[in-house]
Amino acid sequence: DTGVSQDPRHKITKRGQNVTFRCDPISEHNRLYWYRQTLGQGPEFLTYFQNEAQLEKSRLLSDRFSAERPKGSFSTLEIQRTEQGDSAMYLCASSLAGTATDTQYFGPGTRLTVL
Amino acid sequence: AQSVTQLDSHVSVSEGTPVLLRCNYSSSYSPSLFWYVQHPNKGLQLLLKYTSAATLVKGINGFEAEFKKSETSFHLTKPSAHMSDAAEYFCVVSDRAAGANNLFFGTGTRLTVIP
Repeated sequence: DTGVSQDPRHKITKRGQNVTFRCDPISEHNRLYWYRQTLGQGPEFLTYFQNEAQLEKSRLLSDRFSAERPKGSFSTLEIQRTEQGDSAMYLCASSLAGTATDTQYFGPGTRLTVL
Repeated sequence: AQSVTQLDSHVSVSEGTPVLLRCNYSSSYSPSLFWYVQHPNKGLQLLLKYTSAATLVKGINGFEAEFKKSETSFHLTKPSAHMSDAAEYFCVVSDRAAGANNLFFGTGTRLTVIP
């Protein structure tokens, strides 16, 4: 257990529905990252926050995706009008900026299945 | 641009024999390199990291990796495989000198350990 938690662990939804995932980072970590992992692939970067500011977004993050970190602590990732291609494992990671290595610690992930 | 190539999608070894998982990287700047392990239904766990200090890096569970700039390689080794080592292993690069914070993952190597 790395100390990063994600909820829910599994989500099954129908195409067209909206879904929201939550990530709680390690408490003193000021950076929070979202990644997506599809079957047989390595995780791909989606976006990251430093405190409450969203500093970088991947081109993978379409307009249907939105992430927030309103108080610089937990974060939510919302997918609107889900598509079957959104089925994947969504991973959250956190790190402490300013340390020598800025190591990212990952949560267990939320597995999304879109029917 | 950063990228990693994991040369083997699947490696199979007998218990007690050495493990070698190969990784080559591409980076515009001095990279930070990592190996993460992912056990089934568990989150990604950091095995070890290289950040421009010693080129031979020791990690957890007896794993180590050597950074070879001339070969742009960062291969992961272990002298003697254990059944519990069976998992998916990811080689990861990050160009922090370039200001980037996100990680670039390889496609993974699945390690099977035969009793």
